[in-house]
Amino acid sequence: GAGVSQTPSNKVTEKGKYVELRCDPISGHTALYWYRQSLGQGPEFLIYFQGTGAADDSGLPNDRFFAVRPEGSVSTLKIQRTERGDSAVYLCASSLGERGVQETQYFGPGTRLLVL
Amino acid sequence: AQSVTQLGSHVSVSEGALVLLRCNYSSSVPPYLFWYVQYPNQGLQLLLKYTSAATLVKGINGFEAEFKKSETSFHLTKPSAHMSDAAEYFCAVSPLFGNEKLTFGTGTRLTIIP
Repeated sequence: GAGVSQTPSNKVTEKGKYVELRCDPISGHTALYWYRQSLGQGPEFLIYFQGTGAADDSGLPNDRFFAVRPEGSVSTLKIQRTERGDSAVYLCASSLGERGVQETQYFGPGTRLLVL
Repeated sequence: AQSVTQLGSHVSVSEGALVLLRCNYSSSVPPYLFWYVQYPNQGLQLLLKYTSAATLVKGINGFEAEFKKSETSFHLTKPSAHMSDAAEYFCAVSPLFGNEKLTFGTGTRLTIIP
């Protein structure tokens, strides 16, 4: 079946612009995660959705970052007033979302964001 | 807070030799532990995970890892390296309770020498 998909695969923008990154999880997965991977680093957690609600947004670096999942499926990560330091690969992952069970998270290929 | 430390940002082994990638965790309670692999320009793929069922965990592509509580380690091994194993490997941890967000190490790039 189809895995996690992310669009666009690459995004180049200018400092100060607004960007949206999209994630399509595996069908039926209620849990969705966003991570950010800077060059030479491991992925860092940003936000976790269970259904439509953000269950944990403790990893969002500041109020320029926002994510939504209005229908409990597709999620959009929004970055306002982009800065050069936001350049990274943004990864999305999904899992079944069963409570109390340590599930496997399935990752998408990521969106590579470059802020000039 | 939980964390993992991967010793060695770059590891090179000859084809056919043993692969050993090191991971140590920091947690007051044994957590869940994972190894992911990332091939160039691809997403992360789960190799194996430890969820307290068995200390020796077998994964895909011939990899395995052993959970050692006394050493707070979860090292990844493969008896015989193959050229296709060249990739970046990440160790990750998540808590036993609460949500399942992963905390990753900084990664180890594995190079296979022909």
